[in-house]
Amino acid sequence: GESVGLHLPTLSVQEGDNSIINCAYSNSASDYFIWYKQESGKGPQFIIDIRSNMDKRQGQRVTVLLNKTVKHLSLQIAATQPGDSAVYFCAEKRRSSTLTFGKGTMLLVSP
Amino acid sequence: NAGVTQTPKFQVLKTGQSMTLQCAQDMNHEYMSWYRQDPGMGLRLIHYSVGAGITDQGEVPNGYNVSRSTTEDFPLRLLSAAPSQTSVYFCASRNSPADPGNEQYFGPGTRLTVT
Repeated sequence: GESVGLHLPTLSVQEGDNSIINCAYSNSASDYFIWYKQESGKGPQFIIDIRSNMDKRQGQRVTVLLNKTVKHLSLQIAATQPGDSAVYFCAEKRRSSTLTFGKGTMLLVSP
Repeated sequence: NAGVTQTPKFQVLKTGQSMTLQCAQDMNHEYMSWYRQDPGMGLRLIHYSVGAGITDQGEVPNGYNVSRSTTEDFPLRLLSAAPSQTSVYFCASRNSPADPGNEQYFGPGTRLTVT
């Protein structure tokens, strides 16, 4: 069926390492993807987005890669910091205005 | 700007009771939406609105009503609460309904428990 899912429910890294969070999608009609960060007790916060006509987009310490051939999306965080510890969600746009979210990956950064 | 505000932060209801979760934004955003977040389920869209006077159903609309009489406010009503509606509810808004490239802002959430 059509879904947005994550490969790893929990990712543990050391401070300073690079982190990679993965997301698989199955709806080839999706044309827009977003990564959100959610800290404990707070609402999701926008990190970075990418349109389906792009392969890569970079932000401050973050990079999103889109592989349409295998319907795979990843979020790379460079020099991970303890403040990056949170749950990360990918979301895809399936209809004209609504977003569908994946289940989330928890990133744990130890000093 | 206060951004997206939600009240209350916490609420406990008995089965069958009704209540309204409030959501307001002061950014003059056209698009507003309600999500529920359950453990292991991610965020699921309940209802959304592309502008004042216009609402539509999302993925899980049953048991919930919404209205959008003003641009600023988008209340979510539970007519007869059920334990299955125990969840954390998030309201979100963004400027343009058609262009999701506009950043979507989330409120702080309302944690609802139905006993």
